[in-house]
Amino acid sequence: DAKTTQPPSMDCAEGRAANLPCNHSTISGNEYVYWYRQIHSQGPQYIIHGLKNNETNEMASLIITEDRKSSTLILPHATLRDTAVYYCIVKLRGAQKLVFGQGTRLTINP
Amino acid sequence: DTAVSQTPKYLVTQMGNDKSIKCEQNLGHDTMYWYKQDSKKFLKIMFSYNNKELIINETVPNRFSPKSPDKAHLNLHINSLELGDSAVYFCASSQDGAGGRETQYFGPGTRLLVL
Repeated sequence: DAKTTQPPSMDCAEGRAANLPCNHSTISGNEYVYWYRQIHSQGPQYIIHGLKNNETNEMASLIITEDRKSSTLILPHATLRDTAVYYCIVKLRGAQKLVFGQGTRLTINP
Repeated sequence: DTAVSQTPKYLVTQMGNDKSIKCEQNLGHDTMYWYKQDSKKFLKIMFSYNNKELIINETVPNRFSPKSPDKAHLNLHINSLELGDSAVYFCASSQDGAGGRETQYFGPGTRLLVL
């Protein structure tokens, strides 16, 4: 599985968009980009995933660059409850395990 | 309805004891997992089972033995507990599928403290 690089921490004001970057320059053609988050030692929570097209769901948007070497998770209107560690994970299609890095600790400030 | 549940939520025990953690999922998924999150917060896979068959065993000491009585359950038995086993253990499940749809859903975790 390709390695990912994320900033260790970020801050965002409540109500603003939180943009979390992730580099995955060694990603291969059949590897997906997944985002999970972990709120204060709860179980990791799935957010979104994509292959090459941008994706949006009720939680977030995922923007993947055309060369697929990086992506950005966007939380459009961050709330205090979005404070968590966000993990960007690259996973081969059909592979079963998720390889978690250190993630980005996102703090939403009032 | 809780999709992936674990019991117990907290477990405090003495070194050398044997303990079990249970996991159940009601999502109808084919694959279940155990992950360990240590004190430094690194989250790492230990095992995965697909249709009651062991698929992944990530160099975990053989004191750890997963058991899957059926597709909906994956239990973790730990023999001769050591101080280093103190961690949070997360169960997860996913549905087999192509196209990267194998999203994993995690349980709330079991906090194990070995004294």
